[in-house]
Amino acid sequence: GQQVMQIPQYQHVQEGEDFTTYCNSSTTLSNIQWYKQRPGGHPVFLIQLVKSGEVKKQKRLTFQFGEAKKNSSLHITATQTTDVGTYFCAEPHNLFFGTGTRLTVIP
Amino acid sequence: DGGITQSPKYLFRKEGQNVTLSCEQNLNHDAMYWYRQDPGQGLRLIYYSQIVNDFQKGDIAEGYSVSREKKESFPLTVTSAQKNPTAFYLCASSRGGYSNQPQHFGDGTRLSIL
Repeated sequence: GQQVMQIPQYQHVQEGEDFTTYCNSSTTLSNIQWYKQRPGGHPVFLIQLVKSGEVKKQKRLTFQFGEAKKNSSLHITATQTTDVGTYFCAEPHNLFFGTGTRLTVIP
Repeated sequence: DGGITQSPKYLFRKEGQNVTLSCEQNLNHDAMYWYRQDPGQGLRLIYYSQIVNDFQKGDIAEGYSVSREKKESFPLTVTSAQKNPTAFYLCASSRGGYSNQPQHFGDGTRLSIL
């Protein structure tokens, strides 16, 4: 089945530093979604990317979809303690979720 | 408020016992899903249903069963055949045509073995 690899698995940053997580696929994706799961909580939908090379921003979060539609990234500028959680990419056509990147922000 | 309700929040299973996890949604969504999440892991699809009275197996359906008799409800039974059931179980729903719709998740059920 579809395999989407997500890296890194863990990331510890000082508050104020930037953070990036990446999803990579061996095949072309029709679209990609990003979710955030706070510790002890459930995943919450953040955004969906559909077009090749698409870039979307939500305040300090920037989402990108690669030109070949085989990779995507989520970048957080100047992290805050409220950014703590696990960020998942998802390939909705096959109902596949990446393994997630767990972000820890050190105050 | 519209949403997805999962119950119970915590559940303990004895050896050889079947247990049923409840999932109810009032979002009028056609599609519903069950995922399993192990500590520090991603979500793995157990079963999904795109419409009432129809459902399909996901990647890890063995040892689980579901029903979809009503649009609002998608209960998951963890049978005694599931030898390692300890996990966090998440139910989700989305509008029809799941390939481009965001999923809305419930708060989950934590299942443990006694």
